[in-house]
Amino acid sequence: GQQLNQSPQSMFIQEGEDVSMNCTSSSIFNTWLWYKQDPGEGPVLLIALYKAGELTSNGRLTAQFGITRKDSFLNISASIPSDVGIYFCAGFSGAGSYQLTFGKGTKLSVIP
Amino acid sequence: DTAVSQTPKYLVTQMGNDKSIKCEQNLGHDTMYWYKQDSKKFLKIMFSYNNKELIINETVPNRFSPKSPDKAHLNLHINSLELGDSAVYFCASSRGLGDTQYFGPGTRLTVL
Repeated sequence: GQQLNQSPQSMFIQEGEDVSMNCTSSSIFNTWLWYKQDPGEGPVLLIALYKAGELTSNGRLTAQFGITRKDSFLNISASIPSDVGIYFCAGFSGAGSYQLTFGKGTKLSVIP
Repeated sequence: DTAVSQTPKYLVTQMGNDKSIKCEQNLGHDTMYWYKQDSKKFLKIMFSYNNKELIINETVPNRFSPKSPDKAHLNLHINSLELGDSAVYFCASSRGLGDTQYFGPGTRLTVL
């Protein structure tokens, strides 16, 4: 099946720092999604990307759909304590693909 | 109003018992899903229903049986619970197949 390689696996950063995480795949994806999961909660959609090269922002978050369609990154600027959580990339691969493939997550810890 | 809701939030039970988890979405979506999240936080699709019809059925033991009484509900029944069934189970829904998925808050199942 499809696999998404998400990195880094975990990050410890100081409050106020910028954060970057990414996902790569050996095959083409036609949709990339970024989710955040808080402890004890379900994943919440942050950003959805539908076109190669697309760059989308949601507040302090920015995500891009790689032009090769095999990668995506998520940046968080000026991190704050409530950014703590697990960030998942996910994607649909190829036309007519109904199965959402998830990365293994990036656990973000913010030190006040 | 909660878009995707699940009950119960927590479920603790003995090995060998049968239990059910309920899911409801009020988004008017046609497609619903069940995911299992293991202790390493990996999200794995179990089932997908579109318009009350089973679309995806991953390699899940037949002790797990989904039931969709209508498009707004997808319940998960588990027979003869085993220790390895302990996990967090997430329900999700999307407008249609291949559309962005929205997750419920999860049900933490603990089998003793």
